[in-house]
Amino acid sequence: EAGVAQSPRYKIIEKRQSVAFWCNPISGHATLYWYQQILGQGPKLLIQFQNNGVVDDSQLPKDRFSAERLKGVDSTLKIQPAKLEDSAVYLCASSLSPEGYEQYFGPGTRLTVT
Amino acid sequence: QQQVKQSPQSLIVQKGGISIINCAYENTAFDYFPWYQQFPGKGPALLIAIRPDVSEKKEGRFTISFNKSAKQFSLHIMDSQPGDSATYFCAASPGGFKTIFGAGTRLFVKA
Repeated sequence: EAGVAQSPRYKIIEKRQSVAFWCNPISGHATLYWYQQILGQGPKLLIQFQNNGVVDDSQLPKDRFSAERLKGVDSTLKIQPAKLEDSAVYLCASSLSPEGYEQYFGPGTRLTVT
Repeated sequence: QQQVKQSPQSLIVQKGGISIINCAYENTAFDYFPWYQQFPGKGPALLIAIRPDVSEKKEGRFTISFNKSAKQFSLHIMDSQPGDSATYFCAASPGGFKTIFGAGTRLFVKA
């Protein structure tokens, strides 16, 4: 079974630029998550989708971050404009259960904002 | 109330020893407590999880102990091996939604 795929793996941008990350969850997994992991910290949930609907986005900085999951499969997370404090690893995870048990994580995208 | 406090921040254990990592929570609505293992450059991987209706769960060398009254849970790694060297995260969620992660424990197992 293929795991959660993410791209790109690394991205370096200057502050105020925009960036987009892509995630392809495990086939059949209805629930998809985006997490932000700052160096030395645990992952922080940004947004949770159930199929293509948003379940929770309470910690998503909506003035600069946006996410979509078209057709209930792939998802894209965008940052526009980026700030220095957005430097982090952005992790995508998926889960078979609607409740989010047993989350499977992708390798992440390491973003550096200079 | 939404925090999950994890300790220690780092841990060094001799090969064959027992590694113990502790977590505490306050939100009594939490009902799912997973532990994740993360190697450098990789995403976290689910190791073992427990629900509050049991006090202990064991899978191979990994055991979760759960104390509902104290709102604490811990991970025990028996017969620790150098390959167990990684960062471990506890987490908690109310029904699987809005998972909250601890800050992580960096484990180093000396050969």
